[in-house]
Amino acid sequence: DTAVSQTPKYLVTQMGNDKSIKCEQNLGHDTMYWYKQDSKKFLKIMFSYNNKELIINETVPNRFSPKSPDKAHLNLHINSLELGDSAVYFCASSSSGSPLHFGNGTRLTVT
Amino acid sequence: AQSVTQPDIHITVSEGASLELRCNYSYGATPYLFWYVQSPGQGLQLLLKYFSGDTLVQGIKGFEAEFKRSQSSFNLRKPSVHWSDAAEYFCAVADNNNDMRFGAGTRLTVKP
Repeated sequence: DTAVSQTPKYLVTQMGNDKSIKCEQNLGHDTMYWYKQDSKKFLKIMFSYNNKELIINETVPNRFSPKSPDKAHLNLHINSLELGDSAVYFCASSSSGSPLHFGNGTRLTVT
Repeated sequence: AQSVTQPDIHITVSEGASLELRCNYSYGATPYLFWYVQSPGQGLQLLLKYFSGDTLVQGIKGFEAEFKRSQSSFNLRKPSVHWSDAAEYFCAVADNNNDMRFGAGTRLTVKP
């Protein structure tokens, strides 16, 4: 069973569109995250939620809106996509004092 | 906020040779430290972690790392590298709230 699963794995879309990436974890963790990995492999935290409450909100354009319907899910909605949004987006989860478990990533390509 | 520096962007070693990947962190309190590995097109897999206690930690795939508080370092080592170890390696530091920050990564190439 996949511990942290993200869908879709690949997403190709045009500039200006709105898209969502979904993430689910079955580990019983209470914290979930979104990271962005750029073309140079740099991993940057975007958001984290603990029990559906926003904990970390880095300097991310407000076109990006995370939504956590319950503590097992953290979705990422992106409005008005731009070329610079092209990256791999990773979802992760953890509990206090434990390492992060990552999903396999969603490769977003904006054309 | 905490931060991590991985000084080496790319390292090439011969198969069977020893390996050391450098990691320096910045954090005011006792850090939680991690090494992750990422194969091409894959997610991140945890190699090992340090929370407290013995400063030499053993991980999967024959890797180990040593926490040196005086040097703010957490270098990753392996005595004998295998071709399958070629990947991107990330050092990370987390605070008490599990806010985890990553280094820029070190790409490991293994020569036959």
